[in-house]
This record gives sequence, C-alpha cells and structure tokens, in this order.
Amino acid sequence: AQTIHQWPVAEIKAVGSPLSLGCTIKGKSSPNLYWYWQATGGTLQQLFYSITVGQVESVVQLNLSASRPKDDQFILSTEKLLLSHSGFYLCAWRPQGTNERLFFGHGTKLSVL
Amino acid sequence: GDSVTQTEGPVTVSESESLIINCTYSATSIAYPNLFWYVRYPGEGLQLLLKVITAGQKGSSRGFEATYNKETTSFHLQKASVQESDSAVYYCALGDHYNQGKLIFGQGTKLSIKP
Repeated sequence: AQTIHQWPVAEIKAVGSPLSLGCTIKGKSSPNLYWYWQATGGTLQQLFYSITVGQVESVVQLNLSASRPKDDQFILSTEKLLLSHSGFYLCAWRPQGTNERLFFGHGTKLSVL
Repeated sequence: GDSVTQTEGPVTVSESESLIINCTYSATSIAYPNLFWYVRYPGEGLQLLLKVITAGQKGSSRGFEATYNKETTSFHLQKASVQESDSAVYYCALGDHYNQGKLIFGQGTKLSIKP
C-alpha cells in the first residue's frame, strides 16, 4: 500500500529565517507530486507540481521554491520566510499516466512570527 | 475563472440534528467538471469524503450526501443526523476530469458538533 509522509507536523519560525518542508511517497514509483497551501482564512491552492525527478512547475508565485531530488521526495523551501507564508501546507500525489484522483498527506502547520 | 464558494464557518450543530453545508462552483475553463467533498478530522490528513463526476448524480459516504446540480452549479453537503465524530473541516472542491491534478478548493467549513 502507498503511504505519504509529511514533515514536520508543525513549525514555528521567525520572519527572515529559512524553511524546508518535506514529503515522501512510499510504495509507488514515479508519482505526480503536488504542494498545496492554505493561508488562515484563505482557500487551499496549488503551489507546485512535479511529474518527474528534477522537474518542478510553479503554479502560484509566493517566494517559495520546490524541488524533487528523488523520485519519492518533494521538498518545499525558502531562504527567507515572510509573515504571509503562515498557513497549512499539504503534499499530495497521484499515479502518473492515469486519471486517478489526488491523495493527500497529513499536512504541516506553519506559523511565522 | 474557476472557483468554489462554500458556507463560511465555523458552523455548530447539535448532535442528531441535520446539517447542510452549501457549495457553489464556477467552472468556466473546465469542460468536464468533477465535484468533491474532502474532510480533515483533527490531527489527520485531508481525506476524500465523496466524489461525483456526472451532473445529476448523487454521491454518498458515512451518511453524508451531495448532488451535483449543473443548473444551479451547486454541490451541497447534507447529513440527516450528525454525530460528535463528524466534527472536522469540510472542503468542497472542483476538479477537471481530464486533469485530475487540478483541484480548486473552497475555503473550508469548520464544523463542530455539540453533544
């Protein structure tokens, strides 16, 4: 069975500090991977997606970047956090080459102070 | 553009009472919209509650129901008798049948059930 693991579960960071959020998919090769984000009071929106290692497409510009260093790993990061980065970050995957729906992780709650 | 609007929370309902969370959508660039309800229970990830891909059809799961109404562009979530375990955040979402990676969410509705 496939599993999706996100880390950390929650993070409190200072404005201007760096950030790295991770997501790992086990039990499925070459998945399509996605990062979603919801600001407090906002809607869940897609930030990035990746269909293969080393290739990431940006959907929304938020002074964040994403990388896919391995087939099963998707990293969201920034060198300098802004207050507006606070919110809830969700990683998702779906099988490549199918019309299967998205499967989501547990999410990371980020508070930037 | 494509968008989803749902009942603004938080919503509080007494146990065994009925529930409706409204959801309306706009799918201007999606030829074949699919509609979803996702749920996030406290401390857990986002889970699919139900999905309907054809207009006029009803989806149901765990006592919840939603009907895809193309005329009113709505997909309201209903339950006849809620339980304390239904306390969660509910998200309505609009998808593209031919691009399942594209999901547009509503803002979520936090539901609390009073015992």
